[in-house]
Amino acid sequence: DQQVKQNSPSLSVQEGRISILNCDYTNSMFDYFLWYKKYPAEGPTFLISISSIKDKNEDGRFTVFLNKSAKHLSLHIVPSQPGDSAVYFCAASGRSGSRLTFGEGTQLTVNP
Amino acid sequence: GAGVSQTPSNKVTEKGKYVELRCDPISGHTALYWYRQSLGQGPEFLIYFQGTGAADDSGLPNDRFFAVRPEGSVSTLKIQRTERGDSAVYLCASSFTRSDTQYFGPGTRLTVL
Repeated sequence: DQQVKQNSPSLSVQEGRISILNCDYTNSMFDYFLWYKKYPAEGPTFLISISSIKDKNEDGRFTVFLNKSAKHLSLHIVPSQPGDSAVYFCAASGRSGSRLTFGEGTQLTVNP
Repeated sequence: GAGVSQTPSNKVTEKGKYVELRCDPISGHTALYWYRQSLGQGPEFLIYFQGTGAADDSGLPNDRFFAVRPEGSVSTLKIQRTERGDSAVYLCASSFTRSDTQYFGPGTRLTVL
C-alpha cells in the first residue's frame, strides 16, 4: 500500500505566483517529513523538513505546513521562479529516523 | 565539501549477468542508504547501514540483491542474475547519523536488456 501519496502528478504555475504542492500519508507512526527536489539526471536534493511537533516551518521562499489530524502536508513556494521547475517528492520517516518513505512525486513547471 | 558520489553513472547489462554498483558517502557520515527508483515512481528503500553493519535490509526485494560496507565508508550494491525488472535508477544517500537529513548521490541508471 502507498503510505505516502502525492495525488497531483503535475502542476503548472506562472512565475511570481504561489506554488502549492500537497502530500497525504496514512501511517500515524511517521514523525518527520521532508521535501526533496529533483532535476533530471540528478539525485534528489533536500529542500525543507518539519517535525511532527510543529505545524509550520519556513525557509526563505519555501514553507511547509503539517496538519497531523488530517495526515496532510503541503509545500508552498512563493514567489515561484522558473528555476523551481523540477519534480518534488514528499518523504516521511519514523521517530528514530533511518528509512524514508517517498510519494510518487509532482512535476512542477513554472512558466516565465 | 564533496557530496555523495556513485559509479558508474550508467550501466547496461544483459539478463542473467552480475552487476556491482558503488557508493561513496559524504566523509564522516555514519549512515548510508540504498534506494531504487523506477520510472514515474518515488525512490523505494532497499537497505540501511549504520557503520559497517546492515541495520535494516527489509527493502531488498529478494536474495539476488546484496550490499556491503566493509570499512564503514564506501558501499557496494550487488545484484546477481539480473532480470529486466531490475532496470531502474539506484540511489545512494548518506547522513551524519540515522536521524539526520539524508543527502543523495546522482544515482546509477541500470538497464537490463
